[in-house]
Amino acid sequence: GNSVTQMEGPVTLSEEAFLTINCTYTATGYPSLFWYVQYPGEGLQLLLKATKADDKGSNKGFEATYRKETTSFHLEKGSVQVSDSAVYFCALSDREGGNNDMRFGAGTRLTVKP
Amino acid sequence: DSGVTQTPKHLITATGQRVTLRCSPRSGDLSVYWYQQSLDQGLQFLIQYYNGEERAKGNILERFSAQQFPDLHSELNLSSLELGDSALYFCASSASDRVWSEQYFGPGTRLTVT
Repeated sequence: GNSVTQMEGPVTLSEEAFLTINCTYTATGYPSLFWYVQYPGEGLQLLLKATKADDKGSNKGFEATYRKETTSFHLEKGSVQVSDSAVYFCALSDREGGNNDMRFGAGTRLTVKP
Repeated sequence: DSGVTQTPKHLITATGQRVTLRCSPRSGDLSVYWYQQSLDQGLQFLIQYYNGEERAKGNILERFSAQQFPDLHSELNLSSLELGDSALYFCASSASDRVWSEQYFGPGTRLTVT
């Protein structure tokens, strides 16, 4: 079945450090890929998405590229801020695999220190 | 503020009881999704309704049921509650019936079963 595996946290970085959160997926069809962010005490918010191979999603300085050959969708940001502290979820939705649902990774907690 | 509202914010109840969680989608959105977030299971998709009809089903237990009403609000009913049902329950909405469309999440209902 479809699944998402993302790097375990927690991740602690200093302000202005480079961020990478790894995400790999398994899917029977051709999925759309997403990164959601959950700030403390809030629901999830869509951060970025990509719907086909080699697409790059970007938002608020975050980027992720849909790599079909490595089945990956790693999240990156060149310079993190304290306000980026949150839990980040990689997710997939498989349009062709017959599973009309959204699968999430376990989440990676990021803490950015000033 | 995503525009999705959930009530109540917190709910404490005993094992064996039944509760109802309520969700109002963003204005104009026809799809409602329910998710369960727990420490051991992570974030799991439960069920989706589109314009009053069930559209997709995930890992929803038989003790749980949902419905979407003509005014598009949705209710998630949890019965014969067990300690393991303690979790955050999120509702999300989207304009489309496609799961891969952007979903807007509510703030969640925290259910504690004692």
